[in-house]
Amino acid sequence: DTGVSQNPRHKITKRGQNVTFRCDPISEHNRLYWYRQTLGQGPEFLTYFQNEAQLEKSRLLSDRFSAERPKGSFSTLEIQRTEQGDSAMYLCASRRTGGHEQYFGPGTRLTVT
Amino acid sequence: KQEVTQIPAALSVPEGENLVLNCSFTDSAIYNLQWFRQDPGKGLTSLLLIQSSQREQTSGRLNASLDKSSGRSTLYIAASQPGDSATYLCAVSTTGNQFYFGTGTSLTVIP
Repeated sequence: DTGVSQNPRHKITKRGQNVTFRCDPISEHNRLYWYRQTLGQGPEFLTYFQNEAQLEKSRLLSDRFSAERPKGSFSTLEIQRTEQGDSAMYLCASRRTGGHEQYFGPGTRLTVT
Repeated sequence: KQEVTQIPAALSVPEGENLVLNCSFTDSAIYNLQWFRQDPGKGLTSLLLIQSSQREQTSGRLNASLDKSSGRSTLYIAASQPGDSATYLCAVSTTGNQFYFGTGTSLTVIP
């Protein structure tokens, strides 16, 4: 396994701009999760996919947020009209069928100025 | 909603000491519990996962225990080393999918 990868690792954007992050899970992991972590806090669940189906979404995922996993492999998380409160580390995790552990990527740190 | 608390928030120990990190959760109907390590500015590294039917898991110098009835888990680190310095996060799942995380314990091991 090569591990979960996320791109970009860092993103600085101006308020009001749209941003998109990508997550590549471990090969053949059918479940993919997105979390958000602000400074000094633990990660908070945003959404998860089983293959290409988005099965659960947190109330934290406002209308400005959208996530996709079109072919059941990589996933993208888009934030529209970014706000300063969106500044955080966005973490992606994956889990294989029949497994229980979630494996996390290195995260994308978003700074909204 | 599951709430997870970790005590202490920060801990500083001399190298070689054994230590215990605590995690408590409000809903005992859990599916599993996972302990992670996070280095500054980095992602999470899985340390141990305990299924709801298990009482403990061990990996090297780490031992995690689970007491569902009291809503508690502990992470025991034996013979601590400076390389153990990191933030340790406890995460609880009631469904096997969404994890609820604590705010972590920041550990510093002094050489």
